[in-house]
Amino acid sequence: AQSVSQHNHHVILSEAASLELGCNYSYGGTVNLFWYVQYPGQHLQLLLKYFSGDPLVKGIKGFEAEFIKSKFSFNLRKPSVQWSDTAEYFCAVSRRSSASKIIFGSGTRLSIRP
Amino acid sequence: GAVVSQHPSRVICKSGTSVKIECRSLDFQATTMFWYRQFPKQSLMLMATSNEGSKATYEQGVEKDKFLINHASLTLSTLTVTSAHPEDSSFYICSARNQEGSYEQYFGPGTRLTVT
Repeated sequence: AQSVSQHNHHVILSEAASLELGCNYSYGGTVNLFWYVQYPGQHLQLLLKYFSGDPLVKGIKGFEAEFIKSKFSFNLRKPSVQWSDTAEYFCAVSRRSSASKIIFGSGTRLSIRP
Repeated sequence: GAVVSQHPSRVICKSGTSVKIECRSLDFQATTMFWYRQFPKQSLMLMATSNEGSKATYEQGVEKDKFLINHASLTLSTLTVTSAHPEDSSFYICSARNQEGSYEQYFGPGTRLTVT
C-alpha cells in the first residue's frame, strides 16, 4: 500500500522567508501527487497537483512543487511566505492505475511570524 | 464547479445515539465518494470508499457495523455513526470524484461531531 511521509511536523518562519516542505511517498508504481492546505477553521483546499508532464508544478498563491521520481519526493516550495500562509499543509498521493483513493501525509503546521 | 457540501456542519449527540451525516455533490455526479476522519491536529485518515449502488469498501480497522455508509444516488452519500461514544468525536470529511478515471477529488467542508 502507498504511504506518505512529511518529516516536518511544525515549521516556523518569518515573513519573506523561503519555504520548503518535504514530502516523500512509498509506492513503486505510477502516482498522482497533491498538496492540500487547511487554513485555521476552514476546510481542505487544493494547492496544486501533479498527474503527468512537467515535474515542476505551479499552484495557487505562489506555491510550487517538484516531483523527483528518483527520490520519491514531491516537496512544496514558496520563495517568500506571508503571514496569511499560516496553515496546515498536507501532502497526498493516489495510485495512477485505478484512479483510487487519496492517502494523506501526517501534515506540517506552518506558522509565520509577522 | 465541483462543489461538495456536508450537512450538518456541527452536531452534538448523547452517547449511545446514532448520527447521520450527509455528503452531497452539488453540481456534478459522483460515482465514488470517500469518507475521512480527522482528529485534532492530525491528518485525514481514510475510513471507506463508497461507490454508487454498491457496498462501501472499508479501510482496515474501521468497523463497518459502526460506521454505516450508504451511496444511494450519484449525488448523495451518507455516513451514520451508530451507538456513538465519546471516542467517536471527530471531524468527518467527505470527498467526491466526479467521473470514472478521474484522478481528482473534491472535498466537503467537514462535519464536527461531538459525543457527550
